[in-house]
Amino acid sequence: GAVVSQHPSWVICKSGTSVKIECRSLDFQATTMFWYRQFPKQSLMLMATSNEGSKATYEQGVEKDKFLINHASLTLSTLTVTSAHPEDSSFYICSASPGLAGGPRFYNEQFFGPGTRLTVL
Amino acid sequence: AQKITQTQPGMFVQEKEAVTLDCTYDTSDPSYGLFWYKQPSSGEMIFLIYQGSYDQQNATEGRYSLNFQKARKSANLVISASQLGDSAMYFCAMREFDTGFQKLVFGTGTRLLVSP
Repeated sequence: GAVVSQHPSWVICKSGTSVKIECRSLDFQATTMFWYRQFPKQSLMLMATSNEGSKATYEQGVEKDKFLINHASLTLSTLTVTSAHPEDSSFYICSASPGLAGGPRFYNEQFFGPGTRLTVL
Repeated sequence: AQKITQTQPGMFVQEKEAVTLDCTYDTSDPSYGLFWYKQPSSGEMIFLIYQGSYDQQNATEGRYSLNFQKARKSANLVISASQLGDSAMYFCAMREFDTGFQKLVFGTGTRLLVSP
């Protein structure tokens, strides 16, 4: 249980185009989803936190108009990189948390997706 | 100040030996949780072990144990009987429950190489 999928697993696009990445919790309802970015040989940096049905909360320095996050249901969140540029090339990872519904064992845990590698030419 | 500090960029260990990966943290929140994740070259984040700030005993999960020293604010990961498949990046992370909601803050990671 507690599987999170991401699609696509990798994408190459031209500069100026928009790319949408999907994050799905397959066997649980995720009250909260998180989007991280990881540059090569660096740690994961949180970009934004999203709760189902409400606007995402972005971390300082993350442009909300560039990285559009939609958490329309308890099992799906999407990250759209608008007008992508080469500096947006990175590994994007989502995670999902069941919250209280996960019970005491999993309430604290975030389940990570396999990541999406974005390359902008 | 860094909330999570991992001072070892890389560690080497021989197969079947034990290895300790260091992690220190900084928080004024009395309620927090500490996590260790493994990230192989494929990129997925694999949850290894969790320690809550109020837990009385050190967490253990199979070959993984967490040496939690609250007064020193350290949460070192101990991997016993290393295996070749343990070669990966290892990240320590913290969640502050009163002030940080569910946000996870990661350290810079330690690359572990297990040799035959």
